[in-house]
Amino acid sequence: AQKVTQAQTEISVVEKEDVTLDCVYETRDTTYYLFWYKQPPSGELVFLIRRNSFDEQNEISGRYSWNFQKSTSSFNFTITASQVVDSAVYFCALSEGGSEKLVFGKGTKLTVNP
Amino acid sequence: SQTIHQWPATLVQPVGSPLSLECTVEGTSNPNLYWYRQAAGRGLQLLFYSVGIGQISSEVPQNLSASRPQDRQFILSSKKLLLSDSGFYLCAWSVRASSPLHFGNGTRLTVT
Repeated sequence: AQKVTQAQTEISVVEKEDVTLDCVYETRDTTYYLFWYKQPPSGELVFLIRRNSFDEQNEISGRYSWNFQKSTSSFNFTITASQVVDSAVYFCALSEGGSEKLVFGKGTKLTVNP
Repeated sequence: SQTIHQWPATLVQPVGSPLSLECTVEGTSNPNLYWYRQAAGRGLQLLFYSVGIGQISSEVPQNLSASRPQDRQFILSSKKLLLSDSGFYLCAWSVRASSPLHFGNGTRLTVT
């Protein structure tokens, strides 16, 4: 069965620090998709990125970067030079190939202090 | 562009009362539709999903039910609410399997 583990329940940093959010997944499928979502205090979940299991290239989008390593079943998310607006709960999620179901980790609450 | 509407935003209901939460999607046809619940522990639990009209898959046995009477309408219901039904309910849609989910603003339900 598919499973996503986000071991960090809460992280607190000071503005401009870099921060990495960890995500470890379990699946028996060779084809799967990994996602990151952001949930700001308003509650709505915002899609950040999707990565498929055949593409291990790291991705960078502005201050955000993602490190996908199949060898360790991890899909970590780094925010560089964090800002107060980055404060949110971040969820990692997994979908096995062809499945309609998206399974989420329990989330990591990030607080960026000024 | 596609939009998703979910209402109401907040709801306070007594134990034993019925529930009906509605979600509609605009700007797309035959979407996959989902209901998730987020309890106090922040985890997101998949409750139901639907790949077409009248097709409902239930993930967790519980006091809730879902229906999809129209292509872009998804309804979450209960005949009698329990205290444990309190939580933040999120509706979402996607184009197809393994596509990103796009979420509504959620309904915060408090059962008293």
